[in-house]
Amino acid sequence: GESVGLHLPTLSVQEGDNSIINCAYSNSASDYFIWYKQESGKGPQFIIDIRSNMDKRQGQRVTVLLNKTVKHLSLQIAATQPGDSAVYFCAENGAGGSARQLTFGSGTQLTVLP
Amino acid sequence: ETGVTQTPRHLVMGMTNKKSLKCEQHLGHNAMYWYKQSAKKPLELMFVYNFKEQTENNSVPSRFSPECPNSSHLFLHLHTLQPEDSALYLCASSQDGFGSPLHFGNGTRLTVT
Repeated sequence: GESVGLHLPTLSVQEGDNSIINCAYSNSASDYFIWYKQESGKGPQFIIDIRSNMDKRQGQRVTVLLNKTVKHLSLQIAATQPGDSAVYFCAENGAGGSARQLTFGSGTQLTVLP
Repeated sequence: ETGVTQTPRHLVMGMTNKKSLKCEQHLGHNAMYWYKQSAKKPLELMFVYNFKEQTENNSVPSRFSPECPNSSHLFLHLHTLQPEDSALYLCASSQDGFGSPLHFGNGTRLTVT
């Protein structure tokens, strides 16, 4: 069946280090992927997206990498800061249905250590 | 401050009560969504409205009743809920209903007693 999953439920990094959060997907038809950040008490916040015709996309301090061969997506955060502590979700649009809505993973809790 | 506002932020209701959740988006989007977020589970899509028409209902029990009077407002009417319905209910909007980025509100934390 279709699923979106993350390799690790928790990740701790030292402040200033780079963070890498991974996500696997199973639907080969997925052609649009998004990363969200959710801080405690808030709704998910859009970080960056990527379409399947790209392998890499960069934003401010964040990079998303897409490997369609192995159906793997990663989010890299450069120079991780305390404000980056949050739960990070990946989502993909290959869940089927006429509207092809997003399917979300379970999330990875990122903790930034001082 | 997000472009999607949800009220109330917290709600406690008994199983026989009737209450409504409200969502308003100020982004000029055409699609609105209700999601349920339970602890340690992925976000669950409940309903989708595209240009005020319901386009998705993910087998949601009838005790949840959505209403979308216009493209900017979305309601979720609740009645005779169960304790397992306790969760964070998130509203979102997007430019269209075909997988474009969702913009979420901060949710309503619902507790059913």
